[in-house]
Amino acid sequence: AQTVTQSQPEMSVQEAETVTLSCTYDTSENNYYLFWYKQPPSRQMILVIRQEAYKQQNATENRFSVNFQKAAKSFSLKISDSQLGDTAMYFCAFMKQTGANNLFFGTGTRLTVIP
Amino acid sequence: EAGVAQSPRYKIIEKRQSVAFWCNPISGHATLYWYQQILGQGPKLLIQFQNNGVVDDSQLPKDRFSAERLKGVDSTLKIQPAKLEDSAVYLCASSLERLAGRNEQYFGPGTRLTVT
Repeated sequence: AQTVTQSQPEMSVQEAETVTLSCTYDTSENNYYLFWYKQPPSRQMILVIRQEAYKQQNATENRFSVNFQKAAKSFSLKISDSQLGDTAMYFCAFMKQTGANNLFFGTGTRLTVIP
Repeated sequence: EAGVAQSPRYKIIEKRQSVAFWCNPISGHATLYWYQQILGQGPKLLIQFQNNGVVDDSQLPKDRFSAERLKGVDSTLKIQPAKLEDSAVYLCASSLERLAGRNEQYFGPGTRLTVT
């Protein structure tokens, strides 16, 4: 079974500063995908960034980047130059590469960007 | 490109009543998912369809929950009878395929269900 753990229920960051959200996971799979999703108060779940486990290079998307440590089963999200619009719940999620490709989510981290 | 549509956005019912939620995936997306998100938790998969066939319904409480995707497009999720613990947001998502590299899931806005 796959489990995803987010140990930071809430975090805050000053506007324009950098913040890192933590995520660890447990799996016996060797090939899989990891995701960070953003869920603003509107509830629409939006994909922020995606990482394939077979890729050693960390994924980046503009101000968002990840630190993927496969051996440690760690997948943290770094948000640079934080903006007020980044205020949301952030969920880390795991997906197997084979079989039914449903997402396993962590419990989320509520991020507040302070002006 | 239109996103995943869901209705209604909000629903309040009494326990033991029945309720139905509707989802229209992104055009051309073969795979459709229903997730349940209880307050303070991450979404949990209830059922996954590939076209009009069920791929995974292992987490669906089949004594009270049912879902269908008759023509491989729209889907309906039903709860009958509802319990207090069914209060949650029900999220629908779709993806182009289940194959690796084409399995990014796009989510709808969800339906918030309150059972009193």
